Amino acid sequence: DQQVKQNSPSLSVQEGRISILNCDYTNSMFDYFLWYKKYPAEGPTFLISISSIKDKNEDGRFTVFLNKSAKHLSLHIVPSQPGDSAVYFCAAQKTSYDKVIFGPGTSLSVIP
Amino acid sequence: DTGVSQDPRHKITKRGQNVTFRCDPISEHNRLYWYRQTLGQGPEFLTYFQNEAQLEKSRLLSDRFSAERPKGSFSTLEIQRTEQGDSAMYLCAAGGFGNTEAFFGQGTRLTVV
Repeated sequence: DQQVKQNSPSLSVQEGRISILNCDYTNSMFDYFLWYKKYPAEGPTFLISISSIKDKNEDGRFTVFLNKSAKHLSLHIVPSQPGDSAVYFCAAQKTSYDKVIFGPGTSLSVIP
Repeated sequence: DTGVSQDPRHKITKRGQNVTFRCDPISEHNRLYWYRQTLGQGPEFLTYFQNEAQLEKSRLLSDRFSAERPKGSFSTLEIQRTEQGDSAMYLCAAGGFGNTEAFFGQGTRLTVV
């Protein structure tokens, strides 16, 4: 039973445009949500997080939106750059000290 | 630098052999996690330590798998009698007190032939 879902296995975006990566979750006990980025042959790198008490968190070109009623979050990257090409994992925790549950990932390709 | 080192980076072993991986987090990371990732999937949780105490183990962690974290510093993950299905990337992640995010090491790629 997958608790964190990313229904788009891949996404292609033109350089300079907005990338929107979506994520849905099923467990209403999740209170923290995170996005990780992964390049081939490397471990995932933390990108941005959001607590369930917020609906938006912004860090430079990256913004995460959380719709708790819909159990949905999204990551916006503006403007997209070729270096953003990677696999992006959505993840969730019940508490800040709990294990992190990952989605299957979305492979983003930013085309120059 | 995430402050989490894993050794070795790659391991090729014959089916039936035992293998051991090591994870070294910096001292500020009191929480330590082991994950396994196969191609096309997200990391799957295996086990979790708070200091030296192993707080949770996934059902994925069969009897052939054992993890330790003596003295709450480095951790080892041992797989006994390896099977081809054990071939995967084994990731260690660590977080400090009060941090919500876990920082990953670069992983150990295991290939069982």
